[in-house]
Amino acid sequence: DAMVIQNPRYQVTQFGKPVTLSCSQTLNHNVMYWYQQKSSQAPKLLFHYYDKDFNNEADTPDNFQSRRPNTSFCFLDIRSPGLGDAAMYLCATSRRQEPDTQYFGPGTRLTVL
Amino acid sequence: GEDVEQSLFLSVREGDSSVINCTYTDSSSTYLYWYKQEPGAGLQLLTYIFSNMDMKQDQRLTVLLNKKDKHLSLRIADTQTGDSAIYFCAESFLLNAGNNRKLIWGLGTSLAVNP
Repeated sequence: DAMVIQNPRYQVTQFGKPVTLSCSQTLNHNVMYWYQQKSSQAPKLLFHYYDKDFNNEADTPDNFQSRRPNTSFCFLDIRSPGLGDAAMYLCATSRRQEPDTQYFGPGTRLTVL
Repeated sequence: GEDVEQSLFLSVREGDSSVINCTYTDSSSTYLYWYKQEPGAGLQLLTYIFSNMDMKQDQRLTVLLNKKDKHLSLRIADTQTGDSAIYFCAESFLLNAGNNRKLIWGLGTSLAVNP
């Protein structure tokens, strides 16, 4: 089945220790997104790629970086995680044409100790 | 700026209908979406509606769109305990002339279904 896969599902890191979250998709979609979602909040868009074009949200901290080496994979790097970065991180994909329906992975729950 | 608003909580009895409401501000939105999120899980697409439609039905789900008032609703018929979740409304927002878009999300409505 075509899908969006995120690894790992749960990630524990220490304060200040870099961490990388991964996302892969078999939908062959042009667009990939990374969201941060904290408890009882809406997902917050961090950045997205239109093919290889990177689009950063204005309020995304510099601590968050992303890489998209090919169509199928996208990575979220948190260079120096703080306690406030503990959250669910959601990856999504969509076509570039409308309807631009986004399909989500199951998320990675990040804990920062 | 663009904004999507939803009521935060809704409680219904099992078997009743649930109606979740949403208002949005961007009149250029072409698609509006409803997503469901169960505890600890990702977001599941429930349904979407194109802005030139005023109603869409899909099994137990009915979406109503009032474009003049920028009001969207999701009706769940015969609500079951398995429908307990957070429901997010989202509008597709045009970023630039290159047709790049992103979703603007509401805060989500937590639906509790009581047996």
